Amino acid sequence: QKEVEQNSGPLSVPEGAIASLNCTYSDRGSQSFFWYRQYSGKSPELIMFIYSNGDKEDGRFTAQLNKASQYVSLLIRDSQPSDSATYLCAVRLGGGTDKLIFGTGTRLQVFP
Amino acid sequence: KAGVTQTPRYLIKTRGQQVTLSCSPISGHRSVSWYQQTPGQGLQFLFEYFSETQRNKGNFPGRFSGRQFSNSRSEMNVSTLELGDSALYLCASSYRGTGELFFGEGSRLTVL
Repeated sequence: QKEVEQNSGPLSVPEGAIASLNCTYSDRGSQSFFWYRQYSGKSPELIMFIYSNGDKEDGRFTAQLNKASQYVSLLIRDSQPSDSATYLCAVRLGGGTDKLIFGTGTRLQVFP
Repeated sequence: KAGVTQTPRYLIKTRGQQVTLSCSPISGHRSVSWYQQTPGQGLQFLFEYFSETQRNKGNFPGRFSGRQFSNSRSEMNVSTLELGDSALYLCASSYRGTGELFFGEGSRLTVL
C-alpha cells in the first residue's frame, strides 16, 4: 500500500465549477499536510498546508483534513483553465523536517 | 528575491559515470532537501540538510550522496550511474524545515 494515495485522473471540470481533489495517507503519525501544484514542465509550488482537523481557506482554495479517516482534500472554487495542472498531496510525519511523502498527483483539466 | 537555483539544468551521461548536481537555496534559507521525480514513482525524498548536517535520508542506495556547505549551498552526487537514475532531480529550500518548500527548476538527468 502506498503511503500517500491520489487518483491520477485526469479530473475534468468545466470553468467556474468546483474541483475536488482527494488524498488518503496510511501513517497515523502524519502531522502536516501539504498541497503542491505542478504545471507541465515546471517544478512544484506550494498552494496550501494544513495541520489541524477541519477546513482552511485561502482565496479560491480550501483544504480539508480528517485525521480520523486519514483523508485530506483540496477544493478549488470557480475553477479556471489556468488551474489545469497536476496537484500533489504530501504529508510530513514529524516536525522540523522537510522530508515529505508525496502522492503521485492528480491531473486536473479545467475546460472553458 | 532570487529563487532556488539548480545547475546544470540538463545533462546526459552514460552508465557507470558519475554526476554532481548543484543547488543554491533562497537567501536566508538554511534547509535544503533533494527529491527525485520520475513518471512512475513521482516525487521521492532523497535527503535533507540543515546547517551542513544531513538531517534525513531517503531510501536510496549509497551511490546517492550529498552535502551542504557553510553558505547553505548544496550538492548531490550520484556515482556509477544506472539507466534507472534518469529523472528530474529537484532541490528545495525552506527557512528551517517547515515542509513549506520552494523548489528549483530541477536538473534533468538522462543516463544512456
